[in-house]
Amino acid sequence: DSGVTQTPKHLITATGQRVTLRCSPRSGDLSVYWYQQSLDQGLQFLIQYYNGEERAKGNILERFSAQQFPDLHSELNLSSLELGDSALYFCASGGGNIQYFGAGTRLSVL
Amino acid sequence: QQPVQSPQAVILREGEDAVINCSSSKALYSVHWYRQKHGEAPIFLMILLKGGEQKGHDKISASFNEKKQQSSLYLTASQLSYSGTYFCGTEIRIKAAGNKLTFGGGTRVLVKP
Repeated sequence: DSGVTQTPKHLITATGQRVTLRCSPRSGDLSVYWYQQSLDQGLQFLIQYYNGEERAKGNILERFSAQQFPDLHSELNLSSLELGDSALYFCASGGGNIQYFGAGTRLSVL
Repeated sequence: QQPVQSPQAVILREGEDAVINCSSSKALYSVHWYRQKHGEAPIFLMILLKGGEQKGHDKISASFNEKKQQSSLYLTASQLSYSGTYFCGTEIRIKAAGNKLTFGGGTRVLVKP
């Protein structure tokens, strides 16, 4: 158990809808990272937050947004969902160089 | 840019050795190695910082050649539990970029009895 908690584990929704994925980092970690992993694909970095502030941005679509709250948990909001957004979404947290991954949220867009 | 991993896949018999390579076109600050079982979270194996020091984790070790921007992961006397997909993540230390990792496409390893 990495200590990073992601909810929900599975999410099934329809095209055009909006969903929110939640991540609670390990105790003491200030950084939260979001990744997308499509079927049999590598990990694509989306965005990083550090102590509530956006720190780095990757290939995150405009339809996607994230934030980190004062208690350091983070949410990834995905809107106007398309079939191609179906993927595993991982959150990772870290306090230094190492990133520890949560179990992921599997999103299925039908 | 995404680092390039090779090979894409490897099949081993228990007890055999394998090497996985990770190459980048950019100067690297660090290389991270993760292993992921199907449908599970990537698990951190080790991190190599600039300096070329070899690290080890059980019978899995890695090296980092910063001049060549390459890292290699060595699976020695492989065990069934080594099966999974191995990812390298590279970090380019640019202040404005945070410490984000760019992952390679992965190397699938299957260890057979």
